[in-house]
Amino acid sequence: SQTIHQWPATLVQPVGSPLSLECTVEGTSNPNLYWYRQAAGRGLQLLFYSVGIGQISSEVPQNLSASRPQDRQFILSSKKLLLSDSGFYLCAWSSTSEQYFGPGTRLTVT
Amino acid sequence: GNSVTQMEGPVTLSEEAFLTINCTYTATGYPSLFWYVQYPGEGLQLLLKATKADDKGSNKGFEATYRKETTSFHLEKGSVQVSDSAVYFCALSDSAGGTSYGKLTFGQGTILTVHP
Repeated sequence: SQTIHQWPATLVQPVGSPLSLECTVEGTSNPNLYWYRQAAGRGLQLLFYSVGIGQISSEVPQNLSASRPQDRQFILSSKKLLLSDSGFYLCAWSSTSEQYFGPGTRLTVT
Repeated sequence: GNSVTQMEGPVTLSEEAFLTINCTYTATGYPSLFWYVQYPGEGLQLLLKATKADDKGSNKGFEATYRKETTSFHLEKGSVQVSDSAVYFCALSDSAGGTSYGKLTFGQGTILTVHP
């Protein structure tokens, strides 16, 4: 069966520090991968998606970037965090129309 | 473009009450429709789905029917439990269109709280 992992589960970082969040998927090959952010009390915002290794599409201009160095690995990064980057970050994968989500990373920028 | 509109929350109910969370959508083509549930501090879980008009998705006592004529996919449950307290998201995917790469369009979410 397929599983999706995210780490770390929680993270507290100062403004201006770098960020690296990792997402890995097991039990499937060539999935579509997605990064979402969920700000407190709000809905989901799609940040990036990827249909293959090295292929990244950005949905919104921002302080973040994404990379897909391996088929089942998706990384979300920032060189300098802003206060507004705080939120709950969710990774998801799909092979057909439905998506399956990871447990999320709670990021607090102080 | 695609959009999903959910009823304003939060929704507060007593245990065993009837639940309806309204969801309407705008999309080109023939989207698939989903309800996801998010329990506190967790990621989203797929609750149910429907892929074509008049399909009924169901799971854990929840149901939703794909109504093309009213562009709606309302979530219902006959008797809610305290454990149903969560945030519910309606979403659509138009991956059948070929270029959307399986992207989902989500509603804003509805917070449900069920009291004993």
